[in-house]
Amino acid sequence: QVQLVESGGGLVKPGGSLRLSCAVSGFTFNDHYMSWIRQAPGKGLEWLSYSSSGGIYRNYADSVRGRFTISRDSANNSLLLQMTSLTVEDTAVYYCARQTLKGAAFDYWGQGTVVTVSS
Amino acid sequence: TVMTQSPDTLSVSPGERATLSCRASQNIGSNLAWYQQKVGQAPRLLIYDVSTRATGIPARFSGSGSGTEFTLTISSLQSEDFAVYYCQHYYKWPPITFGQGTRLDIK
Repeated sequence: QVQLVESGGGLVKPGGSLRLSCAVSGFTFNDHYMSWIRQAPGKGLEWLSYSSSGGIYRNYADSVRGRFTISRDSANNSLLLQMTSLTVEDTAVYYCARQTLKGAAFDYWGQGTVVTVSS
Repeated sequence: TVMTQSPDTLSVSPGERATLSCRASQNIGSNLAWYQQKVGQAPRLLIYDVSTRATGIPARFSGSGSGTEFTLTISSLQSEDFAVYYCQHYYKWPPITFGQGTRLDIK
């Protein structure tokens, strides 16, 4: 069955960096676009970034462009998110999600990993 | 594109019908999805392309609309349906945006 498992969250100081990973299984990783989405405490969902199937194309929300980098480790079927220059506003649960083959709905989600930015 | 959901909170009795609305700030065609999120869980895809149910989603969930006005209807509420619901557009993405959510409470 399809599974997405995030890891790498934790407590980091403002200005710090963190790398999140999302290990996927149960489907052909490079067939699907993948995204990172976050949810600040008590707030709604915010799309952050996508990686095209195969990883050639990527894009970012304005809120993270220039600070976050999405990438794929196809050998290990993993989606990565390198986060730098973190601020308290980046505190959230971070989800990776698989996009449908057509369009950009998110049909499978991981359980999320918590990132807390605090001094 | 800004997605606006209404109401923010909806109180409905079990067995009754719930109607949730989502408005887009521009014409998004049929590029709309709905998600359900329960406390402490990841969102779950319910509906995509306005009206197509995702795998395993019960028939009591239905979606309709086009252009800028969309509706999620839950025909007969079950106890497990009380949750927060989000709409999401994917018209000429990126970016992708979600509505702010509608909380569905037990009346």
